[in-house]
Amino acid sequence: EVQLVESGGDLIQPGGSLRLSCTASGFTFSSHSINWVRQAPGRGLEWVSYISSRSLTISYADSVRGRFTISRDNAENSVYLQMSSLRAEDTAVYYCARGNWNFPYWGRGTLVTVSS
Amino acid sequence: EIVLTQSPGTLSLSPGERATLSCRASQSVNNNYLAWYQQKPGQAPRLLIYGASSRATGIPDRFSGSGSGTDFTLTISRLEPEDFAVYYCQQYDGSLMRTFGQGTKVEVK
Repeated sequence: EVQLVESGGDLIQPGGSLRLSCTASGFTFSSHSINWVRQAPGRGLEWVSYISSRSLTISYADSVRGRFTISRDNAENSVYLQMSSLRAEDTAVYYCARGNWNFPYWGRGTLVTVSS
Repeated sequence: EIVLTQSPGTLSLSPGERATLSCRASQSVNNNYLAWYQQKPGQAPRLLIYGASSRATGIPDRFSGSGSGTDFTLTISRLEPEDFAVYYCQQYDGSLMRTFGQGTKVEVK
């Protein structure tokens, strides 16, 4: 069974940094691209970042480019999202989702709250 | 960046009725890289349709997708109680960006 489990969400002050993790199981992790998608409270879905299977292709939404960094460790079956210069508008549930251009598998999400 | 606009914002229907949801793109979506998702409260989204018209694994045939270019439609032929949810369209523009529409809520009338 394909499983994606996010962790690392927390309450963090504006301007702070946080690293999220997405740990996968049930499939050959090194063969699949992974995305981060977020959802602010009561709002819609927003795609955040993408990393290809061997990290050769990486992309970001305009709203996070220059502040967030995506990476992966295929030996650990994990993808990371390093978030810095956090703002109140980054408050959201962050999901990781497997897929290249569409997302058939999702984790349950981890909550990031940016507030003083 | 391609912007997706979904309409209506809310659709009020009764079980057994037909639901028609629209997704319009600001530019043509190449290769029909258009997908639809369903999301229920407190849950992660679920992929329903990919490639504009292909049903994902395990999705009932009452869900169908159509369209090309800039205009796409998700149709639920006969609403079941479990279909009341929020629906999102999503596209990939081939230049590394992926975007979602703002969502359509299908609620019980």
